[in-house]
Formats: sequence, structure tokens, C-alpha cells
Amino acid sequence: DTAVSQTPKYLVTQMGNDKSIKCEQNLGHDTMYWYKQDSKKFLKIMFSYNNKELIINETVPNRFSPKSPDKAHLNLHINSLELGDSAVYFCASSAGGFVTEAFFGQGTRLTVV
Amino acid sequence: SQQGEEDPQALSIQEGENATMNCSYKTSINNLQWYRQNSGRGLVHLILIRSNEREKHSGRLRVTLDTSKKSSSLLITASRAADTASYFCALKLRGSNDYKLSFGAGTTVTVRA
Repeated sequence: DTAVSQTPKYLVTQMGNDKSIKCEQNLGHDTMYWYKQDSKKFLKIMFSYNNKELIINETVPNRFSPKSPDKAHLNLHINSLELGDSAVYFCASSAGGFVTEAFFGQGTRLTVV
Repeated sequence: SQQGEEDPQALSIQEGENATMNCSYKTSINNLQWYRQNSGRGLVHLILIRSNEREKHSGRLRVTLDTSKKSSSLLITASRAADTASYFCALKLRGSNDYKLSFGAGTTVTVRA
């Protein structure tokens, strides 16, 4: 069983479209995250959720809206996609913040054309 | 900046050789974590070292932390082709929100057969 799974793995879409990425973890963790990795491999945190509550929103455009229906799921919805949104998006989870290790999904490569 | 900076950016070694990469930072940390990312995959946690620890080992990996110099190193001994990956240091900053881990841009390691 995959610990943190994201779908889809690849997403190609046109500018202006709305898309969602789903994430599920089966580790029983309280905390989930979305990270964005740019073309230079730099990883930047976007959102952190703890027990379904938003803890960190790291100056992300409000076109990005995370939703956590329960502790095991954290989805990312993106409205009005722009070329600059092209990146790899990673979901991660941990047991109560980063005082312990984090587990990452395999990533979703989003390409906006 | 609040993220670690890895050095070198890229490293190419022969199978069987040791690989050393460094991470420097500018602020106080609670812990420092090293992750590996194989091409096209998610990040995998390698080692977490706390600010009151100086050295940790895990198999062929050895991590050191010098908080006075604000630096850490990751040593991979007897490298194998499977060690080809990008390696990231990540900082849990002291006094910061527990739900934020700051990543650098990584060191890309290529192990030649």
C-alpha cells in the first residue's frame, strides 16, 4: 500500500482551466502539506493542514484552494490556470508537524499550455 | 534566507567512492532533515538530526551537524548507481511554526558505473 498517494501523476491542461489534484495518506498522520517544486528543483511550501485545519498559507494566490474533507485527505483545486503554475506539486504528511519525518507522495507534474 | 543552501549543486563520482555534500544555513534550527529524490519521484526521508546532536548514522549514510558553524554534511559511503538522485537538506527553524519545513534546491549526485 502506498503511504501517500496523489492523483493524477501527470496533468496537461490549457490556460484558464480549473483542475484538481487529490492526495490521500494511510499513515494516520494529523498533518498534511502541499509543496510546489519549480524547474530548478526548489521546493516551496504552499499549505499546511493539521487535523483538517489550515495552519500555513504561504502567500499562495487565491486561485489555489486546498480542501481537507478529513485527516487522511488533502486536495488542491486550482482555478484559472496560468503558464506559471506549471510545476511539480507534492503532497506530504507527518505525525504532528516537522518535529518528525515527512512522507511525500510521488508528485503531480502539472503542465499548463 | 531561511532555507538551507546545499553545496555543491552537482556531484559526479565513480561507483564505490564516497560522496559528501554540505548544507549551510543562517538561522537557528530545531532540527535538520535530509531527503533523497530519485528522478521523477517523490522525496524520501533519510535522516533527521536534532540541534543537540552532532552526528547520526543510518546504513551507509552519515550526517554531521555543527550548530556553531550553522552547517551540516551528508556522507554517502561506498556509493552505488542506485544512489544517483538529488539530495535535499530541510530545516525546521527554531521558534517557527511546527508545520513548516524549509528546503533548499538540492545537490544532484550522479554515480557512474
